[in-house]
Parts: sequence; structure tokens; C-alpha cells
Amino acid sequence: EPEVTQTPSHQVTQMGQEVILRCVPISNHLYFYWYRQILGQKVEFLVSFYNNEISEKSEIFDDQFSVERPDGSNFTLKIRSTKLEDSAMYFCASSEGATPGGLTFGSGTRLTVV
Amino acid sequence: AQSVTQLGSHVSVSEGALVLLRCNYSSSVPPYLFWYVQYPNQGLQLLLKYTSAATLVKGINGFEAEFKKSETSFHLTKPSAHMSDAAEYFCAVSDRARDDKIIFGKGTRLHILP
Repeated sequence: EPEVTQTPSHQVTQMGQEVILRCVPISNHLYFYWYRQILGQKVEFLVSFYNNEISEKSEIFDDQFSVERPDGSNFTLKIRSTKLEDSAMYFCASSEGATPGGLTFGSGTRLTVV
Repeated sequence: AQSVTQLGSHVSVSEGALVLLRCNYSSSVPPYLFWYVQYPNQGLQLLLKYTSAATLVKGINGFEAEFKKSETSFHLTKPSAHMSDAAEYFCAVSDRARDDKIIFGKGTRLHILP
């Protein structure tokens, strides 16, 4: 069964450093998403991406965040200067679009900012 | 704006007993509704979805949910709980007029008592 692949599974970084979280969505999917889940809290929408541009972003997705689909297969989330409060599980998801059949999520990257 | 409210952050049931996890939605347009499950240290897996066909939706692992417009509810049930059902369950909603984000509830942790 097709799946969304995220790397790395764990990332530890120092405060102020840049991190790039990587995702390979399902190949025929057209819509891509990043969500995050702070430990013990709900899953929060960060950004959606379609046709090589951001279609929607949340208040969380400020200027420190950016997304890119550099090569037609990878979908990345960059945090320019990490803060302690960025520590969370970050989930990538993709969907076929048109009629939302639900998003397919990756297993997540646990980001720890120290 | 769309939202979902999950009643009860923790629910405990005995093995073999009925599982009932409650979800109420708020949406200005007819919604798509989803239930996702998250097992410990894993990603989010789609259990089932309502996309305007039958109001009683059957999902994986014996779960089902019923869309009740009059009650704005989409409760998740399973007739007989198994130990393997212990997980976090998230109700989610998306806007059928847009092909983008899903909004999650805060989640309900299901505990199965032997």
C-alpha cells in the first residue's frame, strides 16, 4: 500500500539552528500538508500546498517556517531559527484532492529543540 | 470556521464492552468527517470517513460511525473492545467546498481494561 515517508524519525537541534524536515508524499497525490503535535496536545494544521504554492497556512506558520517541493517528489518543511516551543512531532500528509478522501499521514518526525 | 469537539479526553472500557467515542462538529457548510487513530509512537491512520454517501460509515478494525445532521454528531462505536484498540482517537472535519486542510479535535485516549 502506498505510504508517505518522513525522514528523519527523530531530530535533535540546538535553539536557533535551522532544521529541514523531509517528506516523500504518495506519488499521484496533488495536495501536501504539514501538521504538528506538541506532546500531549491536539494535532494542529500548519500549511497546505498545491500546484507548487501554499494554498493555506495557519497562524503558527510564521516567517520562520517555509515549505518547498524542490524536485517533484520531496516535500520539505524548513524552520529557519528553531525555538524551544517548536519541539513537537511533525506530520507530513498528502491527498489526491478533488474530493477529500482523507489525508494519508506519514509516521512523523519528532523534533526536539534543546 | 469549522471545528470538532470530542467529549472526554480519556475513556476506559472493559475488554469486550461497547466502545463509544463522542464527536460533535461545527460547520457552516456540509462537512466531510473523519476518525483517525494514533497508536503509541506512531502516525495517524484513517479509520473511516463520511463524505455524504451513507450516514452509517464502516471502517477498519470493526469501527463504525454515524453521521447525524440533526445532532451535529459523528460518534465512533465498536461493539466489542479488544486490548489492541487502546490508542488515541481523533475526530476531524474538513470543508467539502475546499480541497485543503482537515481540522482535528483534541483527541480521546481509549483505555481497555482487562
